[in-house]
Amino acid sequence: AQSVSQHNHHVILSEAASLELGCNYSYGGTVNLFWYVQYPGQHLQLLLKYFSGDPLVKGIKGFEAEFIKSKFSFNLRKPSVQWSDTAEYFCAVNPNNAGNMLTFGGGTRLMVKP
Amino acid sequence: DAGITQSPRYKITETGRQVTLMCHQTWSHSYMFWYRQDLGHGLRLIYYSAAADITDKGEVPDGYVVSRSKTENFPLTLESATRSQTSVYFCASSEPPGTDTQYFGPGTRLTVL
Repeated sequence: AQSVSQHNHHVILSEAASLELGCNYSYGGTVNLFWYVQYPGQHLQLLLKYFSGDPLVKGIKGFEAEFIKSKFSFNLRKPSVQWSDTAEYFCAVNPNNAGNMLTFGGGTRLMVKP
Repeated sequence: DAGITQSPRYKITETGRQVTLMCHQTWSHSYMFWYRQDLGHGLRLIYYSAAADITDKGEVPDGYVVSRSKTENFPLTLESATRSQTSVYFCASSEPPGTDTQYFGPGTRLTVL
């Protein structure tokens, strides 16, 4: 079955450490890619998205993600995390032949220690 | 206040009861979505709607019913709640074509005893 995989379910980092969260998908065609974040007690909000063009996408709060088509990956990165980045992060994929449906990964819970 | 709201925020019900979760958005977005969030599964799409009176099934529609008589409202009904429907439910909306950014509500935490 086609799916979206986030390999790290829980990540604990100290402040100023670098972050990379993995996301892989199994759709073979053209896709739109998203990272959403859910801060404690808040609703999901968009971090960044990729539709086409430059495969390195910059989002809010210093996050970026790189689309590597050959690896079916869209990993999220941040050079130096802050305590306020503690949240759950979701990768989502919309295959262009799947109408309006977003498929989400299982999420990664990030805890940043002050 | 503009945005997307859900009610109730918390609900406890019993097996077999009918429950309706409400979703209201003030942006006049054409597309609306219902997801459930379960540990280890991320968010899974239950139903979505492209416009008033147009709805379609998502990944996990069984046991749920939706309607969309007005653009701004998209209620989700559990006709006969089961324990497996204990979850957090999120409503979202977006502009056409529906594959762009989705804006999420605060969620409803439903417990079925």
